[in-house]
Amino acid sequence: DAGVIQSPRHEVTEMGQEVTLRCKPISGHNSLFWYRQTMMRGLELLIYFNNNVPIDDSGMPEDRFSAKMPNASFSTLKIQPSEPRDSAVYFCASWTGQAWNEQFFGPGTRLTVL
Amino acid sequence: AQSVSQHNHHVILSEAASLELGCNYSYGGTVNLFWYVQYPGQHLQLLLKYFSGDPLVKGIKGFEAEFIKSKFSFNLRKPSVQWSDTAEYFCAVIPSGGYQKVTFGTGTKLQVIP
Repeated sequence: DAGVIQSPRHEVTEMGQEVTLRCKPISGHNSLFWYRQTMMRGLELLIYFNNNVPIDDSGMPEDRFSAKMPNASFSTLKIQPSEPRDSAVYFCASWTGQAWNEQFFGPGTRLTVL
Repeated sequence: AQSVSQHNHHVILSEAASLELGCNYSYGGTVNLFWYVQYPGQHLQLLLKYFSGDPLVKGIKGFEAEFIKSKFSFNLRKPSVQWSDTAEYFCAVIPSGGYQKVTFGTGTKLQVIP
């Protein structure tokens, strides 16, 4: 298995532009998480899905952020419009949903908003 | 809801020194516990986990952790650190049974000086 796949790996954009981050979880995993990591705030859970349904989006910073999971093998995190304070590394993680199993993290997308 | 505390935010050690990183959780029921490691510029990877049995868990690269239920603790240890152990370490907890959300601690940055 290729593990969790994220694209792009790096994204540089200008303030006000729309940004879409993509994630392909591990096949067979039914839970998917989006995290944001910054020096100032550490690792933050933004949203997680179980069986493609958003379970908890309380970590989503504001309405500029939205996430979708149209099927079991694909999820997107969209920021519109983007702002410089959104600059961070965004990680996607997938999980079997069984408590004794760990989450598997993707390589992350480093987002820079100028 | 569960919570996780990692009291050491930044630890600096010389090579060959012994390491102990604290992790305490709060939850009234049975939990599964994890330590993840994030090397500079990389994503989180599993170091070790506990879900039942022997409370002393051995992980990769010589790390171990001990689950002390009475103290709600799951401290990470290594008898002799190496420069390559420089990384950030995250403790995480998931309540057992059913679908539950994983909660991460704030992380401890370990710097090993050659």
